[in-house]
Amino acid sequence: AQSVAQPEDQVNVAEGNPLTVKCTYSVSGNPYLFWYVQYPNRGLQFLLKYITGDNLVKGSYGFEAEFNKSQTSFHLKKPSALVSDSALYFCAILTGGGNKLTFGTGTQLKVEL
Amino acid sequence: DTEVTQTPKHLVMGMTNKKSLKCEQHMGHRAMYWYKQKAKKPPELMFVYSYEKLSINESVPSRFSPECPNSSLLNLHLHALQPEDSALYLCASSQRTRSYEQYFGPGTRLTVT
Repeated sequence: AQSVAQPEDQVNVAEGNPLTVKCTYSVSGNPYLFWYVQYPNRGLQFLLKYITGDNLVKGSYGFEAEFNKSQTSFHLKKPSALVSDSALYFCAILTGGGNKLTFGTGTQLKVEL
Repeated sequence: DTEVTQTPKHLVMGMTNKKSLKCEQHMGHRAMYWYKQKAKKPPELMFVYSYEKLSINESVPSRFSPECPNSSLLNLHLHALQPEDSALYLCASSQRTRSYEQYFGPGTRLTVT
């Protein structure tokens, strides 16, 4: 079955430092991978996706993600974290023949001054 | 404009009530989705509509009844709910299913008493 895993429940980083939120995937065939962010009491906001092409994907708000086929990973990165980046981040994969979005368990990012 | 709107924002209902949640998008998207999300958990897919036809029902209890009156509107009719149905209900839309990213509304916070 196709799935994603987020091994860290929480990530803490100081403002101005680079951040990484980890995601690994399991799929037969080519994966369609997504990152979403959720602020408290809000819906999810789309950040970026990997369908095919360049392994480094650039998205909204300065975020990027690196697709690594050999390590089956799709880690979210940002060169310099902001306090306002503090939120819940979800990695997701398309399953069910491409009709269903299945989410990882989520990683709470906390950026401190 | 990547906006999905949902009404109401909050809803409190008794177990014998009938209520409806509404979702609207004007992006010309032809796929629409309902998700259920518990606190600090990932969204769980409930229903998928593609070109106004129900394409996926994730074995959701019949007390939840979806409806897609036209390509811009999606309703979720609620009847005889249980307290464990209390959650954030998220609507999303995408251009099509498959590789297209989904855009989420802010959700309806439902409390069943």
